[in-house]
Amino acid sequence: EPEVTQTPSHQVTQMGQEVILHCVPISNHLYFYWYRQILGQKVEFLVSFYNNEISEKSEIFDDQFSVERPDGSNFTLKIRSTKLEDSAMYFCASSETRDRDRAFFGQGTRLTVV
Amino acid sequence: AQTVTQSQPEMSVQEAETVTLSCTYDTSESDYYLFWYKQPPSRQMILVIRQEAYKQQNATENRFSVNFQKAAKSFSLKISDSQLGDAAMYFCAPNAGGTSYGKLTFGQGTILTVHP
Repeated sequence: EPEVTQTPSHQVTQMGQEVILHCVPISNHLYFYWYRQILGQKVEFLVSFYNNEISEKSEIFDDQFSVERPDGSNFTLKIRSTKLEDSAMYFCASSETRDRDRAFFGQGTRLTVV
Repeated sequence: AQTVTQSQPEMSVQEAETVTLSCTYDTSESDYYLFWYKQPPSRQMILVIRQEAYKQQNATENRFSVNFQKAAKSFSLKISDSQLGDAAMYFCAPNAGGTSYGKLTFGQGTILTVHP
């Protein structure tokens, strides 16, 4: 089965530092997403990306966050100045179509802000 | 905003028995999709089953089936012949539909324990 790949699996960073989380979506997919899950809580939508631009973003996705698809394969999430409350598991997902197809999730990046 | 309610924070079942996890949601759309995802301790999100809202027939995937009641906005997951490997957190996740670009809204999750 095709896979979404995320790196690193675990990232520890100092508060105030910038972090970039990396994702390689499935090659023929057109829609890309970031979700986050604070430990013990539900999975929350951050942003969707299609046709090289943000399609939708949540209230969580403020000016500290940005996404980019720098080449044909990578999809990154940048947090400019991390806060303690950014500590969470971040999931990248991709899907072939907008609605009917399942979203394939990566294995997640655990971000710890100290 | 779409809301999803999983009213059972925890459920337990004996191996080989059947368990049903409940989910209700709120949407103004008529055409949308619903998903159940499983999250084992590894925290990987694994698709369990998918239902199209326009289909009356309930989806089935091996030991997993749903009871979809569109008018009631209810989407429960039934696991038959439970196995130890079914132990995980289960999330109900409707796709928002409409103008949303595939956004999934997750419920709070139900922790399923399977006893041998």
